[in-house]
Amino acid sequence: AQSVTQLDSHVSVSEGTPVLLRCNYSSSYSPSLFWYVQHPNKGLQLLLKYTSAATLVKGINGFEAEFKKSETSFHLTKPSAHMSDAAEYFCVVSEGSNNDMRFGAGTRLTVKP
Amino acid sequence: EADIYQTPRYLVIGTGKKITLECSQTMGHDKMYWYQQDPGMELHLIHYSYGVNSTEKGDLSSESTVSRIRTEHFPLTLESARPSHTSQYLCASRALGGNTQYFGPGTRLTVL
Repeated sequence: AQSVTQLDSHVSVSEGTPVLLRCNYSSSYSPSLFWYVQHPNKGLQLLLKYTSAATLVKGINGFEAEFKKSETSFHLTKPSAHMSDAAEYFCVVSEGSNNDMRFGAGTRLTVKP
Repeated sequence: EADIYQTPRYLVIGTGKKITLECSQTMGHDKMYWYQQDPGMELHLIHYSYGVNSTEKGDLSSESTVSRIRTEHFPLTLESARPSHTSQYLCASRALGGNTQYFGPGTRLTVL
């Protein structure tokens, strides 16, 4: 069965500095991996997804993530944080014919001026 | 922007009331989902549907019920709300064979 661990419940960065949100997964099959972002009082928005193509995936708003099978990781990065990036970020794994999703516990990103 | 809608966005009600949370999508997706999310916590799947007349319980036990009479509509009902039902409820959908779920804006429910 698949599972996801987000290694940090809260990350705080200064505006203009790099962002790293860490995610490790376990999966019995070749998984699909996703990052979603949730702004306060909003639903989840898809940032990017990996589905067995290029291991470096580029998403919206300057985010990208690299699938590393040997490390079972799918960390989310951004070179320069913006105030509008402050939100909750969820790493998600999906596998199998049903493609049902397992969500991580979320990482709250705070961006300081 | 995904075409999936939830109403109401916020709801505050008293204990014992019957409520229905609405979820509609205009993308023609077969699979639809309901998740429950407590503040600062992960999402827990409570119901899902593969299509019309199909409903299944998710990983987290819930006293709510769902129905799927039309493809685009997947309402969730609580017959008698209790304070323990206070949470955010998120609806999602995806195309059969697709691997991306699209989420609605959520309903934040408070039961007094």
